[in-house]
This record gives sequence, structure tokens and C-alpha cells, in this order.
Amino acid sequence: QKEVEQDPGPLSVPEGAIVSLNCTYSNSAFQYFMWYRQYSRKGPELLMYTYSSGNKEDGRFTAQVDKSSKYISLFIRDSQPSDSATYLCRKTGFQKLVFGTGTRLLVSP
Amino acid sequence: DSGVTQTPKHLITATGQRVTLRCSPRSGDLSVYWYQQSLDQGLQFLIQYYNGEERAKGNILERFSAQQFPDLHSELNLSSLELGDSALYFCASSLPGGAGTQYFGPGTRLTVL
Repeated sequence: QKEVEQDPGPLSVPEGAIVSLNCTYSNSAFQYFMWYRQYSRKGPELLMYTYSSGNKEDGRFTAQVDKSSKYISLFIRDSQPSDSATYLCRKTGFQKLVFGTGTRLLVSP
Repeated sequence: DSGVTQTPKHLITATGQRVTLRCSPRSGDLSVYWYQQSLDQGLQFLIQYYNGEERAKGNILERFSAQQFPDLHSELNLSSLELGDSALYFCASSLPGGAGTQYFGPGTRLTVL
């Protein structure tokens, strides 16, 4: 079992939809959870990170962590075609650097 | 622009050859990380350096090696190249104690023919 699992997609939604992207993880010994966005053939860029369980909001993006279920979610409100990208989740702890394989999101106009 | 630079952008070479990829971290960042990304594998962590010393190792092959120099730039050396080494190679950097928040460079696309 991989330490971080993501559905590879693609996930196709119409413009304006609410998008839910999810990750599950298998090892509880990690502290920080992060979401990165990667446009095609570009380097990943950090979107959000959170430490504790609960929600963290930044504009149209909300990151949610449920440590009891080992579940990480990223919600995108009012999705735009410019949100079309691959979204990678990541958890980190001491000397552990694990990314999910990424979920490809396609937002159509 | 993340502030992390990588050269070259593209590299085309033949099997059995050796190449060197270069990375300059953001100003002030002491850690450098190398990742490999191929189509079906996602981002695979290779190795981390912190202030010139190896800090963590991931799925790095013995044919690959890296180092970080006193000016904090890093090089990833790939030798005895195989077709399967064709991938995007990313470098990332982070501040010490920055919760591991990494800033990625634009990547080097390696094609092995």
C-alpha cells in the first residue's frame, strides 16, 4: 500500500462547479499536509498547507484534514478553466517526503 | 516564478551516457531536494541536501548521485543512462524549519534515446 493515495482522474467539471479532491494516507506519523498544483510540464507550486485537523480556507480553496480517518481534501469553489491542472497532496514529517501521484482536473468553459 | 532555477531546460542524450543537471535554490534556502517525475510514476523523491550535507535519501538509483556545493547550488549526476530514465527532473528548495514547504524549479526534461 502506498503511503499517500490519490485518484489519478481525470476529473472533468463545468466552470463554476465545486470540486472535491481527496487523498488518503496510511501512516499517522506525519505532521504537515500540503496541496500543490502543477500545470502541464511545469514545476509544482504550493497551494496550501495545514497541520491540524479541520478546515483552512484561502480564497476559493479550502483544505480539510481528518486525522481520525486519515483523509485529506481540497475543495475548490467556483472552479475556473485556469484551475485545470494536476493537484498533488503531500504529507511530511521528519525526513519523510511523500507525494501522492496527483489528480488531474479539467474545468471546461 | 519560484526563485529556483534549473538548467538545462531540455536534454536529449543516448543510452549509456552521463549527464549533469544543475539547480540553484532560492536565496536563503539551505535545503535542496531532487525529484523525478515520469508519466506513470508521479513525483518520486530522490535525495535531499541541507547546507552541503546529504539529509535524506529516497528512491535514488546507484547510477545517480548528487552533491550540494558551498554556494548551495546542487548538481544531480545521472550515469549509464537507460531509456527508462527519461523523465522530468525537478529541484526544490526550502528554508530550514519551514515545515518542509518546498518551492520547485521549472524542471529539466531528459530524453534518453
